[in-house]
Amino acid sequence: DTGVSQDPRHKITKRGQNVTFRCDPISEHNRLYWYRQTLGQGPEFLTYFQNEAQLEKSRLLSDRFSAERPKGSFSTLEIQRTEQGDSAMYLCASIVQAGNTIYFGEGSWLTVV
Amino acid sequence: QKEVEQDPGPLSVPEGAIVSLNCTYSNSAFQYFMWYRQYSRKGPELLMYTYSSGNKEDGRFTAQVDKSSKYISLFIRDSQPSDSATYLCAMRSNDYKLSFGAGTTVTVRA
Repeated sequence: DTGVSQDPRHKITKRGQNVTFRCDPISEHNRLYWYRQTLGQGPEFLTYFQNEAQLEKSRLLSDRFSAERPKGSFSTLEIQRTEQGDSAMYLCASIVQAGNTIYFGEGSWLTVV
Repeated sequence: QKEVEQDPGPLSVPEGAIVSLNCTYSNSAFQYFMWYRQYSRKGPELLMYTYSSGNKEDGRFTAQVDKSSKYISLFIRDSQPSDSATYLCAMRSNDYKLSFGAGTTVTVRA
């Protein structure tokens, strides 16, 4: 499978714990995006990288959220001190520079109990 | 007010009917318009991609864009039960950052 890969697909965690999600984009896609989607809503932009540089962060990305793309390949999204409001699906997407099609992964579902 | 507004549905149609989905937007900078299909607990899958005003057809799917009215549509002809899903409109300017509608859930009854 050469699509966008996300891991884990599902995560249940207790409030206050830290969680980390990983995204492996399509090979040679230099732009990588993180979105968050809650039930009944469309995905909302969180942040994006061009290669290893994080170029933009949404106001939705509080101080408890941090994203990295250390070598311009895979990316991680960490949520510290999780809250129940963090429960959502976290989507990763990638696109090649000057491309037209943004490809999404299957998402990582987070449930905070 | 959200940048992208989408009729929330849900929409239930008999098999073979035409499904009509719509979105309006407020940001004049949007130039690229997309429709994604999303099955339950799955990631969005690109259906249609259009640039500028006009119509684009792909099999049973037709996408329309009217930039003067800031209005886009997706039509599904001869709908099938397998078309049952949530349909998301999305759009962007040159920065590649997508803005999505809330999605319309469609059920096609056999």
